[in-house]
Amino acid sequence: DAGVTQSPTHLIKTRGQQVTLRCSPKSGHDTVSWYQQALGQGPQFIFQYYEEEERQRGNFPDRFSGHQFPNYSSELNVNALLLGDSALYLCASSSGETQYFGPGTRLLVL
Amino acid sequence: DQQVKQNSPSLSVQEGRISILNCDYTNSMFDYFLWYKKYPAEGPTFLISISSIKDKNEDGRFTVFLNKSAKHLSLHIVPSQPGDSAVYFCAAMLSGGSNYKLTFGKGTLLTVNP
Repeated sequence: DAGVTQSPTHLIKTRGQQVTLRCSPKSGHDTVSWYQQALGQGPQFIFQYYEEEERQRGNFPDRFSGHQFPNYSSELNVNALLLGDSALYLCASSSGETQYFGPGTRLLVL
Repeated sequence: DQQVKQNSPSLSVQEGRISILNCDYTNSMFDYFLWYKKYPAEGPTFLISISSIKDKNEDGRFTVFLNKSAKHLSLHIVPSQPGDSAVYFCAAMLSGGSNYKLTFGKGTLLTVNP
């Protein structure tokens, strides 16, 4: 049974560019959440998708947007990248309270 | 406003002994708590959880204790093994309704020495 998968594993972008990160949830899970983890910090909630709708959003600007597809996979898009967007981006899937995380995408903005 | 706090950035224990990791929270509405373990270059791995209707949950070597009046929970690992060396995150959520956002602490680095 495949767990949560994310792509790409690493990414280097320059300021002002746009990036798309992808996530496939664990089999049987219908909810996908995205988190940003800066160095030395715990993951910070970006938003959650359920039934192809954004159900809940954390304190992130509109530059961060997402999408969920009918097969429950999801994308995170970040526009107008800033140096401060450099972080580990984690996707988590769930069908109840417990969220299971993927390996993350390490984004470096230069 | 940090609603979940892990006040010990690091903890070192000997193999075979007990590891106790602590977590405090400020939001009394939190009703579901989870512990995750994270190795470098990997995503967090779910370890164990506890609902606020319980005060203890056990799974093998891992036990989580919840003290609602003190807004405190702890993770006990016994016996500790070198492979347990990782960063441990405490997380909390409001499970009622449609609110499944996890709020994390900053983590505690556990080192288990052989």
